[in-house]
This record gives sequence, structure tokens and C-alpha cells, in this order.
Amino acid sequence: DAGVIQSPRHEVTEMGQEVTLRCKPISGHDYLFWYRQTMMRGLELLIYFNNNVPIDDSGMPEDRFSAKMPNASFSTLKIQPSEPRDSAVYFCASSLTTTNTEAFFGQGTRLTVV
Amino acid sequence: AQSVTQLDSQVPVFEEAPVELRCNYSSSVSVYLFWYVQYPNQGLQLLLKYLSGSTLVESINGFEAEFNKSQTSFHLRKPSVHISDTAEYFCAVSPPARVNTGFQKLVFGTGTRLLVSP
Repeated sequence: DAGVIQSPRHEVTEMGQEVTLRCKPISGHDYLFWYRQTMMRGLELLIYFNNNVPIDDSGMPEDRFSAKMPNASFSTLKIQPSEPRDSAVYFCASSLTTTNTEAFFGQGTRLTVV
Repeated sequence: AQSVTQLDSQVPVFEEAPVELRCNYSSSVSVYLFWYVQYPNQGLQLLLKYLSGSTLVESINGFEAEFNKSQTSFHLRKPSVHISDTAEYFCAVSPPARVNTGFQKLVFGTGTRLLVSP
């Protein structure tokens, strides 16, 4: 398997624009996570899915953020409208476990909102 | 709830010197413990983990960590570092999976940047 695949790797957008980040988890994994990494706050869990169903979205910062998982092989994180303070690296991760053994991370999307 | 403290934001060290990256956690229940490594411009990779059994766990590239329940610590050590070990290291904890609901989410520390120089 190629691992967790995220696209794009880099995104630069203007304030107010809609941004969509994409993730393809490892085939067969039943958990998918979206994290945000910033210098100020470190690594934050935004939302996670189990079998395509959102389980905990308490980390989503505000209503401008939304995430979907229409099927087992694809998820999106959307920000609308984007703001400069959303600039961060966004990671997607997946795991196949009920025993917390390991989460596999993608390479991240570096988002810059100007 | 669980929390993780990594007191050192940055640790500079010379090549071939030993290093210890500190991690302390807080939890009212038993936990699983992890160290992840993030190389520049890459995602996080699992370095090693403690689930149960022997309190000393090792990675394939020479790192080891020891679970100390009384000290609530899980410090990461390597006796001789290489330039290629330069990266950010994250300690993480989670309670064991619940029988009925499964996964418990990871709580990460703020990370320690290891800088190895010649």
C-alpha cells in the first residue's frame, strides 16, 4: 500500500476563498483522523471517523470547518471561508485497530491563507 | 482526561553523543504510550510504543524508551545519535481501547526538536 495520501501538498489561497483538502486512507483501515499542526498549538485532533461515520468533531475550531467521508477510501476537510489564522499543516491519518496500536500519517497539506 | 508534557522544546546535541528526550504524562487510568518522529516536511511516523509487558521498548534505529509508572514518565533515549536523527519527536498517550466503543484518541505532547550537529 502507498500509505495515506493527501492532496495537495501545498495550498496558497486568498482570505475568503474556499479550501478543500483531500485524503485517501490506507485500504482497509476503519479509522480516519484529521489533525492540524501549528507552532502555537502543536498537533490538534480536529475530527475522526470510524467506518465513514464522524465520531468526534469536538476539535473542529468553528463552523467554517467541515469534514466528510463519503466512502471508505476518501475524505475531505473543507474550510469556507478561509482566514489567515487557518494557515497550518493539516495531516490526515488512518488506523486499523481497536487496540490503539498505531496511526499512519500522510505527508500533510501545508495551507497558507494570505 | 489525559495530558502529556514535553518540557524541552529543543535539544541540541553533537553527533555520537547520548540524548534523552523527556516525556511525562497525567492520567487517572492506565495508558498506552507512544513516541512518534517527524522528519522535515514529512508526516509523523511511529517510533516505538508501550502497550503492556516489558517496560523497556526499543525501536529499530537504536532508540529506546522506558515506562515508569511511579514517575509517570516515558523518556526516550539513544546512546549515540546521528545527524539523520535530526527531527521533531512527539510523545503521545491514549487509554486502552474500550471493549464496546473501541478506539481511544491519542493525546500528543507539544514536541521536542532534536538538533544533531557534527
